[in-house]
Amino acid sequence: GAVVSQHPSWVICKSGTSVKIECRSLDFQATTMFWYRQFPKQSLMLMATSNEGSKATYEQGVEKDKFLINHASLTLSTLTVTSAHPEDSSFYICSASPRVSGANVLTFGAGSRLTVL
Amino acid sequence: GQNIDQPTEMTATEGAIVQINCTYQTSGFNGLFWYQQHAGEAPTFLSYNVLDGLEEKGRFSSFLSRSKGYSYLLLKELQMKDSASYLCAVKDSNYQLIWGAGTKLIIKP
Repeated sequence: GAVVSQHPSWVICKSGTSVKIECRSLDFQATTMFWYRQFPKQSLMLMATSNEGSKATYEQGVEKDKFLINHASLTLSTLTVTSAHPEDSSFYICSASPRVSGANVLTFGAGSRLTVL
Repeated sequence: GQNIDQPTEMTATEGAIVQINCTYQTSGFNGLFWYQQHAGEAPTFLSYNVLDGLEEKGRFSSFLSRSKGYSYLLLKELQMKDSASYLCAVKDSNYQLIWGAGTKLIIKP
């Protein structure tokens, strides 16, 4: 089945530094990948839609200069949290669906837990 | 606005049956999904409904009534490993996924 790999699983960084999270579709091509954020005991919140070869589409209220998304190939999207602050601490999850998928079922990466000190 | 409602928390007994309800009001409808999410992990796909009726998949079944804006996830023969959050999500007319807040299911021996 479709597999999405996300790295790193855990990251702790100092306030003011930048953190990059990678999302790879291992056995399928994904023209579109999605980045979500989830705070404890809350639902998934879509941050942005990553489009291969073009600019990402950000949801209202998400700062595009703070959360940089690059989708350079059909199997890789990266999310960079720039100048991270403690309020950016969260669980970040990427997802994708194969280009040919009747139900467009999303496959999720394992998630990246970011802690900003 | 768009809204998906599900109970915040439910408790059930091992071996029993539990039904988790989901009601939605969205701009258009292009399918409803149920995902399971264990604490600290990413969601995993459980079921997809786009037509009215019941979809059965082993111990899990999902039902949809589009006219009522209603779905439920039925879990039979509950096991301790079923303790998790269950997320309902609907694809609207723009094919955007709208997520419910999730239902935390607690299984007791």
